[in-house]
Amino acid sequence: QSALTQPASVSGSPGQSITISCTGTSSDVGSYNLVSWYQQHPGKVPKLMIYEVTKRPSGVSNRFSGSKSGNTASLTISGLQAEDEADYYCSSYTSSSTVVFGGGTKLTVL
Amino acid sequence: EVQLLESGGGLVQPGGSLRLSCAASGFTFSSYPMSWVRQAPGKGLEWVSAISNSGAGTYYADSVKGRFTISRDNSKNTLYMQTSSLRAEDTAVYYCARDVRKYAGSYGVDVWGQGTTVTVSS
Repeated sequence: QSALTQPASVSGSPGQSITISCTGTSSDVGSYNLVSWYQQHPGKVPKLMIYEVTKRPSGVSNRFSGSKSGNTASLTISGLQAEDEADYYCSSYTSSSTVVFGGGTKLTVL
Repeated sequence: EVQLLESGGGLVQPGGSLRLSCAASGFTFSSYPMSWVRQAPGKGLEWVSAISNSGAGTYYADSVKGRFTISRDNSKNTLYMQTSSLRAEDTAVYYCARDVRKYAGSYGVDVWGQGTTVTVSS
């Protein structure tokens, strides 16, 4: 199972919005609404930000939103803040009854 | 407080074995599917394995299939990963994680342990 494709890095200024893409195939992202997004700060444990494409766990800011079109899922962060600077990973359930992660995207807040 | 606490990591020679454990507390362990996710030094997250809430269903990444076995003891609120035939590329921090949804699962994990480090080296 190949990893989902994410951009290696994205950047934005405080207050701006950014979007991170996550491209899979018709065997994973395209077939299931089971895409999740995680935030990981250096040296910290990952944190679930979005699950089932669009759902936010309690406690996660509504500045974070998820969407999907075809084989590509996206995470949008609006009103960018300094503390949003972190690595972000997407994951998806697959037709093989496994889970595949993306390679990760480093978000830099300028 | 909902908590996961891993143990069992360490230094092991190539070809060796380790049994990782994850003690759960603060929630009804038997209701939730559980997963192991690993992260090699300086690398991204890699899904390793998952198990249904009852233990009847187990799932593995191709990279560990046939070498790792996931299991759980709901009476002890504990998740396990028996590893064998370990390779250098298995070196990573291994996280135990709880699915965000009970029973059917969502394959998103919202509770993570602090991780246990496995180092495979001679």
